[in-house]
Amino acid sequence: DGGITQSPKYLFRKEGQNVTLSCEQNLNHDAMYWYRQDPGQGLRLIYYSQIVNDFQKGDIAEGYSVSREKKESFPLTVTSAQKNPTAFYLCASSRGHQNTEAFFGQGTRLTVV
Amino acid sequence: DAKTTQPNSMESNEEEPVHLPCNHSTISGTDYIHWYRQLPSQGPEYVIHGLTSNVNNRMASLAIAEDRKSSTLILHRATLRDAAVYYCIPGLNAGGTSYGKLTFGQGTILTVHP
Repeated sequence: DGGITQSPKYLFRKEGQNVTLSCEQNLNHDAMYWYRQDPGQGLRLIYYSQIVNDFQKGDIAEGYSVSREKKESFPLTVTSAQKNPTAFYLCASSRGHQNTEAFFGQGTRLTVV
Repeated sequence: DAKTTQPNSMESNEEEPVHLPCNHSTISGTDYIHWYRQLPSQGPEYVIHGLTSNVNNRMASLAIAEDRKSSTLILHRATLRDAAVYYCIPGLNAGGTSYGKLTFGQGTILTVHP
């Protein structure tokens, strides 16, 4: 079945370590997005990519990095520069044209101790 | 981005209709109105979207005010599986290329009682 897959579902890291979250889609979508969600809050956009080898900062990009080397993959690295990395991270994709439905993965819950 | 106002929470009984309101008085003339919902510990799920006319799909109906400053998501018969946070999201300009950038507010927590 087509969809968007995030792995792992739960991730624990020590403070000061970089960690990379995986996001893969087989929907042939051009656009991909990373959001962060804190408890009881809405989603906030970290980075988005409209096409392979191109990406733009969202509203809260500091402390994060991304790459888009392949259409189906958009990994997110949470660096040690991110002051409060513990959160629920959601990846999404869409066809890339205006007014299209976005498909979300099941999320990765990152806990930094 | 247009600002939205939604009730923090609403309650319903199973099998009854639910009307979830949203005010978006600063919406631009060409912005669509999208609704997503998020079940606990899951990613958001698309529900419906519209521009000016009322819209229906298998999940819900969307009633858009004539002045487009408000809209109402209608679940015709609530089930326990409809318990979720519902987000009203104006945006994705019909004439632009905003590529699905969705701005999520706090949403409305819907509780459905058996």
